[in-house]
Amino acid sequence: AQSVTQLDSHVSVSEGTPVLLRCNYSSSYSPSLFWYVQHPNKGLQLLLKYTSAATLVKGINGFEAEFKKSETSFHLTKPSAHMSDAAEYFCVVSEWGGGFKTIFGAGTRLFVKA
Amino acid sequence: NAGVTQTPKFQVLKTGQSMTLQCAQDMNHNSMYWYRQDPGMGLRLIYYSASEGTTDKGEVPNGYNVSRLNKREFSLRLESAAPSQTSVYFCASSLEGGTGGADTQYFGPGTRLTVL
Repeated sequence: AQSVTQLDSHVSVSEGTPVLLRCNYSSSYSPSLFWYVQHPNKGLQLLLKYTSAATLVKGINGFEAEFKKSETSFHLTKPSAHMSDAAEYFCVVSEWGGGFKTIFGAGTRLFVKA
Repeated sequence: NAGVTQTPKFQVLKTGQSMTLQCAQDMNHNSMYWYRQDPGMGLRLIYYSASEGTTDKGEVPNGYNVSRLNKREFSLRLESAAPSQTSVYFCASSLEGGTGGADTQYFGPGTRLTVL
């Protein structure tokens, strides 16, 4: 069975400081892992995707995530936050195995202070 | 390219009314999806269509029906709307091979539905 836990519902950082959004998952198969971002009243946009090619995945806008199988984690990081990063972030596990299965985490709201 | 489009953007229904949400994609994707998003929760899969001519239930299919009209279009129907169906509905599409890892999904802008 799949599950996704985003460990923080809200994260607040100052502009220019590092960002860490945490995600733990479980899956019965070999899933694909994603981070999506949703700005207010918008659809979701892909930040990055892991599909077993490399454990450190680089995404758009300076974000990256590291897949750690032993810890079943896929945490999202960015070295220096920008005001435009303020949004909701979703960690997602998806796979095709006996049909399509996908689980979204509950989301982490990122606040960026000037 | 428009990507994934959804109509309408907003809708208010009375309990028991029916309506259809429309979704279209112009990326020649094989798979399409309908999700709902409720406050404080991630998206939940209602139905999906792995390829033209097929549809399957997701996590929360009760109260909904879908039609994969052709490769481009995937509609979601509420036959008798209930207040519990008040939500934001997102359509998405992906290239998909149907096995193993999943492809990136591209999302529409959403439909905000209120059922009174």
